[in-house]
Amino acid sequence: DAGVTQSPTHLIKTRGQQVTLRCSPKSGHDTVSWYQQALGQGPQFIFQYYEEEERQRGNFPDRFSGHQFPNYSSELNVNVLLLGDSALYLCASRRLRPQLLAKNIQYFGAGTRLSVL
Amino acid sequence: QKEVEQNSGPLSVPEGAIASLNCTYSDRGSQSFFWYRQYSGKSPELIMFIYSNGDKEDGRFTAQLNKASQYVSLLIRDSQPSDSATYLCAESTNAGGTSYGKLTFGQGTILTVHP
Repeated sequence: DAGVTQSPTHLIKTRGQQVTLRCSPKSGHDTVSWYQQALGQGPQFIFQYYEEEERQRGNFPDRFSGHQFPNYSSELNVNVLLLGDSALYLCASRRLRPQLLAKNIQYFGAGTRLSVL
Repeated sequence: QKEVEQNSGPLSVPEGAIASLNCTYSDRGSQSFFWYRQYSGKSPELIMFIYSNGDKEDGRFTAQLNKASQYVSLLIRDSQPSDSATYLCAESTNAGGTSYGKLTFGQGTILTVHP
């Protein structure tokens, strides 16, 4: 049973560039969330996708956008990269339905380490 | 703005001792609480979750929840050097099914278990 997979594992970009990160959820999961984790901090919620729509969004600018595909995989796009965007980007998946059993147990992928120079 | 606060670290305990990690939260609507372990350079790994007041035990780990005091803790018995990691406390609110389960994390507590 494959867990949450993310690609690429590492990425180096320069300021002003754009980046796309990818995530495949755990088998049987239908909801994907993205988090940003700066060094020494806890993960910060970016947004969550369910049924190909953004359902919740954290306090991140519009430069951060996403997409979910019919197979439940997801992409995170960041435009006009800033130095402060350097972080570990984590994807987490869960099974939303049936909610009675889901209890919001989310499983994380290994993350993508983004460095902006 | 929901907040989750964890006791400041780092926490250092000798091998075999009990490690106690604490977390408080600001939102009385919070319903689910999670403890994740994160090794350096790795992703968070779920080790415990708790929804009801009281204690929940799983092997060497015990999670404790007190909703009246808005307090959740994690006890690690017989601590091992392999338990050395950052421990993240997180909360989630599922309000009538309209919330899709955003997790709000604390800043993490670094635990070191020395031989």
